[in-house]
Amino acid sequence: GAVVSQHPSRVICKSGTSVKIECRSLDFQATTMFWYRQFPKQSLMLMATSNEGSKATYEQGVEKDKFLINHASLTLSTLTVTSAHPEDSSFYICSARDGQRYSNQPQHFGDGTRLSIL
Amino acid sequence: DAKTTQPNSMESNEEEPVHLPCNHSTISGTDYIHWYRQLPSQGPEYVIHGLTSNVNNRMASLAIAEDRKSSTLILHRATLRDAAVYYCILRDRGGGADGLTFGKGTHLIIQP
Repeated sequence: GAVVSQHPSRVICKSGTSVKIECRSLDFQATTMFWYRQFPKQSLMLMATSNEGSKATYEQGVEKDKFLINHASLTLSTLTVTSAHPEDSSFYICSARDGQRYSNQPQHFGDGTRLSIL
Repeated sequence: DAKTTQPNSMESNEEEPVHLPCNHSTISGTDYIHWYRQLPSQGPEYVIHGLTSNVNNRMASLAIAEDRKSSTLILHRATLRDAAVYYCILRDRGGGADGLTFGKGTHLIIQP
């Protein structure tokens, strides 16, 4: 159980393109989802917290107008990288927390999306 | 979040036990100790977590020091599939709505 599906797994596109990444919890309801970014040889960095039915909370230094997050249902959050540029190339990973369980349950991660902007 | 310290890398042989240490000297009484691992080109995977008592599951064991200032993740019989970066993370009991703070972790290398 507790599967998180992330799509697409890889995107290669031209500079200036907007890219949407989907994160779905397949067998549980996720009131909260998280978006992380990981550059090569570095650790994961939290970008934003996505709450179902409300606005996302962004970490310091993350541009909310560039990284649009929508969490319209208890099983789906999307991250849209708007007008992507080469410096946005990275490994984007989502995670979800089972909202029905007590708060210290582990997070479940998707397999990540490797974004390459040419 | 309180900070954790882990060795940058460790090497072990296949089919032998592996003990991955983590120091967390500033841990608070309500912090749980979580372990995740990340295989190459994949998202992190939950391994185990505990508060005070040692914990066992199908993947690993977690040994927590009596003063809770350190812990050890134990892989009882390493396989090549266990080669990954292992992260030790502290999470407050009430911090379920918060994202995780990943350190650099320990890069575990398994030799055949």
